[in-house]
Amino acid sequence: DVKVTQSSRYLVKRTGEKVFLECVQDMDHENMFWYRQDPGLGLRLIYFSYDVKMKEKGDIPEGYSVSREKKERFSLILESASTNQTSMYLCASSSSTAPYEQYFGPGTRLTVT
Amino acid sequence: GEDVEQSLFLSVREGDSSVINCTYTDSSSTYLYWYKQEPGAGLQLLTYIFSNMDMKQDQRLTVLLNKKDKHLSLRIADTQTGDSAIYFCAGLSGTYKYIFGTGTRLKVLA
Repeated sequence: DVKVTQSSRYLVKRTGEKVFLECVQDMDHENMFWYRQDPGLGLRLIYFSYDVKMKEKGDIPEGYSVSREKKERFSLILESASTNQTSMYLCASSSSTAPYEQYFGPGTRLTVT
Repeated sequence: GEDVEQSLFLSVREGDSSVINCTYTDSSSTYLYWYKQEPGAGLQLLTYIFSNMDMKQDQRLTVLLNKKDKHLSLRIADTQTGDSAIYFCAGLSGTYKYIFGTGTRLKVLA
């Protein structure tokens, strides 16, 4: 079974704090993703990584950065948290071979006050 | 741009079949997926279909693909209360660009 784990299920941070969300997968997948999920907006891609130290911006990268130093770990960083970053954050991983199934972690519900 | 549309809500009685529909605009999608999301949880991959297939059956789940109309559906036979969740369809372009629908909330009435 593929396992994608996220460091926290719930997180409460103050405006202006630096926030780290971590994600680990155990399937040796090349690709890893960070999404945010908001009511009525579905899933929006923030960043993805197709290899160690490689990253690509998604649809909404502003206010976020990422780090991938090891294949199994992909971190999302909020440099200076703002209230409009209150959301559910979902990490996912996928193989680079067909059928490219994407597996998700349980999510981190982040509240910025 | 690419878009995936789903109806927002579906309500069925326990034991009936559920059919969740999805339409997509990107004709280059190679694979199409169905995910289930329970409250407060991540997305769970249910099944997928390759774009050159018309149908795929997996236990209680049947996926139908009409490539001409760009229409995808998920049929759940003998729907149970545990099937109550949000269901997302998603299409894949290339090897890492996944486009998700906004989700259909399925409510199963006992």
